[in-house]
Amino acid sequence: AQRVTQPEKLLSVFKGAPVELKCNYSYSGSPELFWYVQYSRQRLQLLLRHISRESIKGFTADLNKGETSFHLKKPFAQEEDSAMYYCALSGNSGNTPLVFGKGTRLSVIA
Amino acid sequence: DGGITQSPKYLFRKEGQNVTLSCEQNLNHDAMYWYRQDPGQGLRLIYYSQIVNDFQKGDIAEGYSVSREKKESFPLTVTSAQKNPTAFYLCASSVGLGPRTQYFGPGTRLLVL
Repeated sequence: AQRVTQPEKLLSVFKGAPVELKCNYSYSGSPELFWYVQYSRQRLQLLLRHISRESIKGFTADLNKGETSFHLKKPFAQEEDSAMYYCALSGNSGNTPLVFGKGTRLSVIA
Repeated sequence: DGGITQSPKYLFRKEGQNVTLSCEQNLNHDAMYWYRQDPGQGLRLIYYSQIVNDFQKGDIAEGYSVSREKKESFPLTVTSAQKNPTAFYLCASSVGLGPRTQYFGPGTRLLVL
């Protein structure tokens, strides 16, 4: 079964501090992992996907197959990073929907 | 933004009443989805459709129904059998199932009178 776990419901950090939003997954094959973000009064939108290996808004995420993790990181948090973050997984079968975690609310304190 | 729209923004339901939430997309996407978003519960999949005239139950389909008669449209009906319908409902679409980027609508908040 495919499962995504985000252990923290709420994460509060000070502006300028490093941020790490945790995501662990359960899947027996080769997954594709995503991070989606929902800013206040905005739509849920894709932040990044591991296959792209890109940095978006200073965020990066590395797929660690050994630890089955896809943690989202940013070295210096900004107030505008405050949002709800969802980790999502897609199996390699290609015919099933994304599986989302329960989300982590990031609050950056000035 | 744009490309996928939901209406209405707010919807009120009386006891025993069925209500329908609209979702339209002009992205030419084959796959469409309905999610329910509750605090602390994250996104839970209600129904999804891979192609016109086909749809599948998600994790929490009980008390809901859908149709997919047109590629652009995927309406969700919340029936009277859904005993706890108060939630934020999100519609999404993607080119196909699997590892495809999903594009989300602005959502509909359903409240029970």
